[in-house]
Amino acid sequence: GQQVMQIPQYQHVQEGEDFTTYCNSSTTLSNIQWYKQRPGGHPVFLIQLVKSGEVKKQKRLTFQFGEAKKNSSLHITATQTTDVGTYFCASAKSWGKLQFGAGTQVVVTP
Amino acid sequence: DAGVIQSPRHEVTEMGQEVTLRCKPISGHNSLFWYRQTMMRGLELLIYFNNNVPIDDSGMPEDRFSAKMPNASFSTLKIQPSEPRDSAVYFCASTFGDRLAETYEQYFGPGTRLTVT
Repeated sequence: GQQVMQIPQYQHVQEGEDFTTYCNSSTTLSNIQWYKQRPGGHPVFLIQLVKSGEVKKQKRLTFQFGEAKKNSSLHITATQTTDVGTYFCASAKSWGKLQFGAGTQVVVTP
Repeated sequence: DAGVIQSPRHEVTEMGQEVTLRCKPISGHNSLFWYRQTMMRGLELLIYFNNNVPIDDSGMPEDRFSAKMPNASFSTLKIQPSEPRDSAVYFCASTFGDRLAETYEQYFGPGTRLTVT
């Protein structure tokens, strides 16, 4: 079935630096959602992208949906220790079902 | 709203015992999902319900796993008999979903950490 691939699997970032994580699919996605899971916590919804080329910002987080709707990215500027966690992208199916990627685990060093 | 409620939060049991995990979805949501998360396999969808009806249980690993949703406000995931390889965090999530793939965010419960010794 359709899968979303996330890269990188792990991201070590120095506090204050920027980084980007990517979500790729071989097929066109109807939309994409991003979730964040803090260590020991549960996934929490961040944002949903629906339109081709859509860009949305949440403070230091910038989310982008590719023009072909086959990829998405999450860019974090000036990383803080509160950004630690695993970031998942997920593609939506019918009945509210989501196909989750494997996630990017982010570690921030002070 | 209290969000998705799961119980117990932690469960330690011996191999061969029956385990029942419980979930109360957010009121008004009509889709409920059971996930399992491990370091090795990541976040796996086990089964999901829409309007209390199981839609897809292809993710249920074995016949030892069963799930029910007797009404819109309660679901259970049962493992009988349990095995050490079932040790994982089990999440329940709910949302409003329909056949046309209109999508809404999923709200996850805090999870049940299951350890089978």
